[in-house]
Amino acid sequence: DVKVTQSSRYLVKRTGEKVFLECVQDMDHENMFWYRQDPGLGLRLIYFSYDVKMKEKGDIPEGYSVSREKKERFSLILESASTNQTSMYLCASISSPGLSSYEQYFGPGTRLTVT
Amino acid sequence: GQNIDQPTEMTATEGAIVQINCTYQTSGFNGLFWYQQHAGEAPTFLSYNVLDGLEEKGRFSSFLSRSKGYSYLLLKELQMKDSASYLCAVRDSNYQLIWGAGTKLIIKP
Repeated sequence: DVKVTQSSRYLVKRTGEKVFLECVQDMDHENMFWYRQDPGLGLRLIYFSYDVKMKEKGDIPEGYSVSREKKERFSLILESASTNQTSMYLCASISSPGLSSYEQYFGPGTRLTVT
Repeated sequence: GQNIDQPTEMTATEGAIVQINCTYQTSGFNGLFWYQQHAGEAPTFLSYNVLDGLEEKGRFSSFLSRSKGYSYLLLKELQMKDSASYLCAVRDSNYQLIWGAGTKLIIKP
């Protein structure tokens, strides 16, 4: 079974702190994604990566950065956390997004609260 | 712009049938996915449609009409454990997933 793990289930940080969210997948997937999920809104793509050291901006990259130094690990960084970044953060991975029915596998999510 | 519409919430009775609709307007189409998400958990894959018609998988079926930009998820013989949010997502011409806000399904005994 594909396994995607995230470093924390719950996190509370103060405004202005630097926050690291880590995601690890064990299926040798090339593509990894970071989403945020807020009530009443669909999953919104923050960043994605299709290879080591490669990254692409998603729909809402402002205030975030990412790092992919190893294939299995994709980190999301909030340089200076703000209260409007309080959200559920979901990491996902997929082998080849263009191939037929390949679905994304999700991690359990990190619920981040910024006070 | 790109848009996916689903009802916010639906209620159904245990043992009954429910249909959750999804309409979409996207830049290109490369498949439609349905995911199930229980409260506080990650979304899990349910179904995939790329051609028009009905795909059946046990108690769950998914239908697609590309000309109408429309899909539905049909859940039969509802069980209490089916209480969850159901997310519709369309893969666009860039192979990115565009997500609906999800439909919260409440099952009553």
